[in-house]
Amino acid sequence: QKEVEQNSGPLSVPEGAIASLNCTYSDRGSQSFFWYRQYSGKSPELIMFIYSNGDKEDGRFTAQLNKASQYVSLLIRDSQPSDSATYLCAVNPLFNKFYFGSGTKLNVKP
Amino acid sequence: EAGVAQSPRYKIIEKRQSVAFWCNPISGHATLYWYQQILGQGPKLLIQFQNNGVVDDSQLPKDRFSAERLKGVDSTLKIQPAKLEDSAVYLCASSLWSTRSYNEQFFGPGTRLTVL
Repeated sequence: QKEVEQNSGPLSVPEGAIASLNCTYSDRGSQSFFWYRQYSGKSPELIMFIYSNGDKEDGRFTAQLNKASQYVSLLIRDSQPSDSATYLCAVNPLFNKFYFGSGTKLNVKP
Repeated sequence: EAGVAQSPRYKIIEKRQSVAFWCNPISGHATLYWYQQILGQGPKLLIQFQNNGVVDDSQLPKDRFSAERLKGVDSTLKIQPAKLEDSAVYLCASSLWSTRSYNEQFFGPGTRLTVL
């Protein structure tokens, strides 16, 4: 069983729509959760992290965490073509250790 | 603040040859990670250092891969001999050593390795 599971996509949404990306994890003791964006040929860049149950908003991005169900999601409101990228979910089961999912490719169509 | 530096950015070798990658983390970052990212997959941790000591190398193919972090600053990752399946991007990342539950790691630009 993989530590972190993501749907590989591609997820296609029209410009201006809400994109919803999901991630499940296996280690119930995981402490914190990260969403990275990775453009083709580039390294991952951190978008958001969350460590408490509930929602965390930052601009057009909202991270949602449900530890009981072991899932974390990322909502992107008013999606733009520039949001087209692969989104990686990372889980921090121990201090200073990270496990990554395989990523979901998002296509935002103009 | 300077980011994580890696070199070379690209490398093409033939199978059975050897190759080495270099990483210089952000100043003051005690923890250094080497990841392997195969096309279409997420980063897979190869080795994690805390200062100059190894914290986790459970997924490092030790028959061909080696890594060191002398003096607890920059690090090198070596592959000898390389196989076709080693073709990937090798990412170096660093973070502060922290007991916070939301410690952030910062990635370098990566080295794209092609093994022919």
